[in-house]
Amino acid sequence: GAGVSQSPSNKVTEKGKDVELRCDPISGHTALYWYRQRLGQGLEFLIYFQGNSAPDKSGLPSDRFSAERTGESVSTLTIQRTQQEDSAVYLCASSYRTAGTDTQYFGPGTRLTVL
Amino acid sequence: AQKVTQAQTEISVVEKEDVTLDCVYETRDTTYYLFWYKQPPSGELVFLIRRNSFDEQNEISGRYSWNFQKSTSSFNFTITASQVVDSAVYFCALRDDTGGFKTIFGAGTRLFVKA
Repeated sequence: GAGVSQSPSNKVTEKGKDVELRCDPISGHTALYWYRQRLGQGLEFLIYFQGNSAPDKSGLPSDRFSAERTGESVSTLTIQRTQQEDSAVYLCASSYRTAGTDTQYFGPGTRLTVL
Repeated sequence: AQKVTQAQTEISVVEKEDVTLDCVYETRDTTYYLFWYKQPPSGELVFLIRRNSFDEQNEISGRYSWNFQKSTSSFNFTITASQVVDSAVYFCALRDDTGGFKTIFGAGTRLFVKA
C-alpha cells in the first residue's frame, strides 16, 4: 500500500525566499507530524495535527515556520524568509491514532538547502 | 520531563558479531510507549518495534531482540549475527501521557557493520 509521500525530495533555495514542503499521509491516518533533522542529528519535533483538533505547534522554532492541514489529508509546511540554519531534512510522519497506540510511519523527507 | 538518551554515538562491528544498542529513558508517567526506528543511508525511517509500559516481556524478531527493563528505565536493542545491511542510524523514542502527542527521539546511534 502507499506510504507517506513528501515533495519535493530536494529543494535548494536562496536565503530570504519562502518555501513550501508538502506531505501526503497514509490514507486513513488521522495524525500527522512534522520533524526537522539537521545533518548528523536526531529528530526535532515541529508540529502535530490530530483530526479537527487544534494543532500542537509547540515545536516550531520561530514565527517564520507555519503548517496547515486540510482535514485528514495533505499538510503543507511553510518556511518564510529562509535562513541558512533552516537547512535540514524535513520529515513527515502519520499515524492511525487509537487509544494507547501511536506508531508513526515516516515519509522519505525533503532535503532543504538554503544558500 | 521526558528524555531519551542513546549514549552510543557510533558503533562499529564486523559482520556476524552481535551488537547491543542502548536506550535509557526518563518519564514520570506510568503509561508510556517506547519505539525503535531504523534510518538506513537512504534516509527513510523504518518502524521496528513499539512496546508499552505494561508489557515487560522481551521480544525477539528474527535477528532482532529487545530487552525492556523498567527497573533501569532501559529499552535496549540487540542485533544478533549482524549483517552489512544492518548499517544504519537507529533511534529510540518515547511517548507518554504528559507529553501528549509528542514523541521524543534520542539522538540516534550510528551502526557500521563491516564485511
